[in-house]
Amino acid sequence: QKEVEQNSGPLSVPEGAIASLNCTYSDQGSQSFFWYRQYSGKSPELIMFIYSNGDKEDGRFTAQLNKASQYVSLLIRDSQPSDSATYLCAVNPYSGAGSYQLTFGKGTKLSVIP
Amino acid sequence: NAGVTQTPKFQVLKTGQSMTLQCAQDMNHNSMYWYRQDPGMGLRLIYYSASEGTTDKGEVPNGYNVSRLNKREFSLRLESAAPSQTSVYFCASSEAPGLVKQYFGPGTRLTVT
Repeated sequence: QKEVEQNSGPLSVPEGAIASLNCTYSDQGSQSFFWYRQYSGKSPELIMFIYSNGDKEDGRFTAQLNKASQYVSLLIRDSQPSDSATYLCAVNPYSGAGSYQLTFGKGTKLSVIP
Repeated sequence: NAGVTQTPKFQVLKTGQSMTLQCAQDMNHNSMYWYRQDPGMGLRLIYYSASEGTTDKGEVPNGYNVSRLNKREFSLRLESAAPSQTSVYFCASSEAPGLVKQYFGPGTRLTVT
């Protein structure tokens, strides 16, 4: 059973701080990794994706991937109250034709305190 | 450019009733997906269509059927609704199956009594 694990939170950080969200996955063959943000009552919105080991930065967001440890994280710098949402980690288990399914974690709820 | 649209936004059904959830995308994407999201369970894939003319089961297909009507539209049908199908249903699309980003519609909140 392929699994994606996230701490459900809530994770509370003060405004302006760095929020660190973590995700582990069970399938060693996983090839691509996504972070979605979901506001309450809304649909998931893709904010970051990463395929290679290391860091990928986009504005205030940094995704970090360590395939050896089967670990992916999302850092949010200068956190704002508008970042308060549930963050979903999603993993594509393998490459090639047939790798159509994303496995989602249950999400981490982030609360940024003004 | 509306992206992914879903109808209806809300629906209440009685046990045993049937209904079809509609999804359409205007991004010329090849692949489309239906998910359900339940508290504490996360997003789970019901069915997907890798390309026009093909459909396949996901993690939780029982009680559902799908139709890929054309490249734009992918519908989900509940033939005989059960309370266990109370959920929020999301349709998504991607340019191609596999290692690519999926874009989600606004969701349909379904309650089965």
